[in-house]
Amino acid sequence: DIVMTQSPDSLAVSLGERATINCKSSQTVLYNSNNRDYLAWFQQKPGQPPKLLIYWASIRVSGVPDRFSGSGSGTDFTLTISNLQAEDVAVYYCQQYRTNPLTFGQGTRLEMK
Amino acid sequence: QVQLQESGPGLVEPSQTLSLTCTVSGGSIGSDTYYWSWIRQPAGKRLEWIGRIYTSGSTDYNPSLKSRVSMSVDTSKSQFSLKLSSVTAADTAVYYCARRATNSSPEDSWGQGILVTVSS
Repeated sequence: DIVMTQSPDSLAVSLGERATINCKSSQTVLYNSNNRDYLAWFQQKPGQPPKLLIYWASIRVSGVPDRFSGSGSGTDFTLTISNLQAEDVAVYYCQQYRTNPLTFGQGTRLEMK
Repeated sequence: QVQLQESGPGLVEPSQTLSLTCTVSGGSIGSDTYYWSWIRQPAGKRLEWIGRIYTSGSTDYNPSLKSRVSMSVDTSKSQFSLKLSSVTAADTAVYYCARRATNSSPEDSWGQGILVTVSS
């Protein structure tokens, strides 16, 4: 299985500041035939299911605010939340969907400082 | 806008079979070319992908659960189902059903989840 490891496990950021969450995969999630990284980011708030934010490592889902951005390729990825808002407090997960079984990171808890 | 809703017993005895159904509304399982997944989340732990099923009935399971899992689809009812046999306390989790646009895409729509507790 591809192991996904996120860092940090938790972080506290002030309103309006930037939050950066990292995700590292144990094997590449880049598929050479189409040059795409099979990496997604989800947001999960208490009592709710995960919500897909980003796929192909950097493509925002329609309706997701542009303060959310994804970057990286191969085995190292980053989710950046600029201008943090109160509603962004949540747990964030990365997921690789290149190889079955699909696997998730352990989650990063984002809190307001 | 597609909606998914899990249903089934919230309590299952150890060694028994966990059975859950996901009802899809706002779209037809039979006419769409989506893949349908089950994912679980034990309290305080990471999400675990259980497997997926296509409308044709073809399946793909997580090898760690493969010997105990089966999935099926009923297009006439717009439902798909999960069965997990020989459950133990380690199977206690919130179970989610979800949709994937293709076999090479992440889950883009999720049900609210159902808590299943394994206990006598």
